[in-house]
Amino acid sequence: RKEVEQDPGPFNVPEGATVAFNCTYSNSASQSFFWYRQDCRKEPKLLMSVYSSGNEDGRFTAQLNRASQYISLLIRDSKLSDSATYLCVVNDNAGNMLTFGGGTRLMVKP
Amino acid sequence: GAGVSQSPSNKVTEKGKDVELRCDPISGHTALYWYRQRLGQGLEFLIYFQGNSAPDKSGLPSDRFSAERTGESVSTLTIQRTQQEDSAVYLCASIGLAGYETQYFGPGTRLLVL
Repeated sequence: RKEVEQDPGPFNVPEGATVAFNCTYSNSASQSFFWYRQDCRKEPKLLMSVYSSGNEDGRFTAQLNRASQYISLLIRDSKLSDSATYLCVVNDNAGNMLTFGGGTRLMVKP
Repeated sequence: GAGVSQSPSNKVTEKGKDVELRCDPISGHTALYWYRQRLGQGLEFLIYFQGNSAPDKSGLPSDRFSAERTGESVSTLTIQRTQQEDSAVYLCASIGLAGYETQYFGPGTRLLVL
């Protein structure tokens, strides 16, 4: 089993749709969680951190469920510019080792 | 500098040649990571440096791969006797503090082995 698992997609959605991605992690001792965005042929860039209480940044909402060991990302009112690969990242803190999921590809269409 | 920089941005080499990739992390960042990303694939961890501790080399795919870091600054990733399957984007990232800091990635080096 991979340490961090994501559905690779692609998720094809129309503009304005709401789309949600889930990510599961295997290390119950993991402490920090992030969502990164990676555009085609670009490096990954931080989208948002994921806090225990859940957090929102504009159209993006991230949630953490420690009991079930999964993280979610919700995108509301999808824009064409949201098309990218979304990477789930988990930090085990002990050695500052970050583990990346394989990414979920989102394609927003007109 | 303002961000993580990597050089060269692109490298084309012949099978069997050695290549050296360079990463300049954000000043003051103690941790530095190298990843490999093949076309259409996820990030593959290669090696991790944290301060003066022994590096975590658990992700290096073979003994043809090695990396060094001088103190808390520049790192070089060396691939000896390159093979076609080494073709990928090699990404470097740095992080400031343990715990809740995030990684900042460089733009990557696109390596093509002919």
